Amino acid sequence: GAVVSQHPSRVICKSGTSVKIECRSLDFQATTMFWYRQFPKQSLMLMATSNEGSKATYEQGVEKDKFLINHASLTLSTLTVTSAHPEDSSFYICSARDRVLEAFFGQGTRLTVV
Amino acid sequence: AQSVTQLDSQVPVFEEAPVELRCNYSSSVSVYLFWYVQYPNQGLQLLLKYLSGSTLVKGINGFEAEFNKSQTSFHLRKPSVHISDTAEYFCAVRALRGSTLGRLYFGRGTQLTVWP
Repeated sequence: GAVVSQHPSRVICKSGTSVKIECRSLDFQATTMFWYRQFPKQSLMLMATSNEGSKATYEQGVEKDKFLINHASLTLSTLTVTSAHPEDSSFYICSARDRVLEAFFGQGTRLTVV
Repeated sequence: AQSVTQLDSQVPVFEEAPVELRCNYSSSVSVYLFWYVQYPNQGLQLLLKYLSGSTLVKGINGFEAEFNKSQTSFHLRKPSVHISDTAEYFCAVRALRGSTLGRLYFGRGTQLTVWP
């Protein structure tokens, strides 16, 4: 199947700093990418849908100024957690969708804010 | 919108025993159905999917699932599990049409633990 690369896999940052997470589709063009957040022992919570060349659509309750999403090309979307706080610590997963609407997932990023 | 219910949050089973992970869904439109597996600190890997045709679908690692439209179920089964099957399993649906086209809706997950 298609490959989606997410980087970094782990990051530890200080409270108040910003962290950028990259999601790349390596062998296909992804017009749409999804960003999820997963709390321990829970399911994936959709944060936002990112369409190439346009503004991301955020789910209710997700702060768009806190979680900045950029989808500048058909193979790259980034999620920036701005002014991170300990409560932002979580596992973040991206998913890229190909032209037949098949979804492929990145490996996830474990963010720890200290 | 669509919703997915995974009734069992945890399923412990001994090695080489059969297992069934249950999934029921709700939707006002036709859907595609998926099972994903997640190992610790990793993303999701597709196990199998039902798009159309035969209601019994076979996936990777010896898993299979049966789509039952009347019961709106898509239960995952394996006749003989291995220690390496220990992981979190997610059932998901995707609408074929409508405003939520293309979006996946996940169940809360079932932790399968295989004991020696």
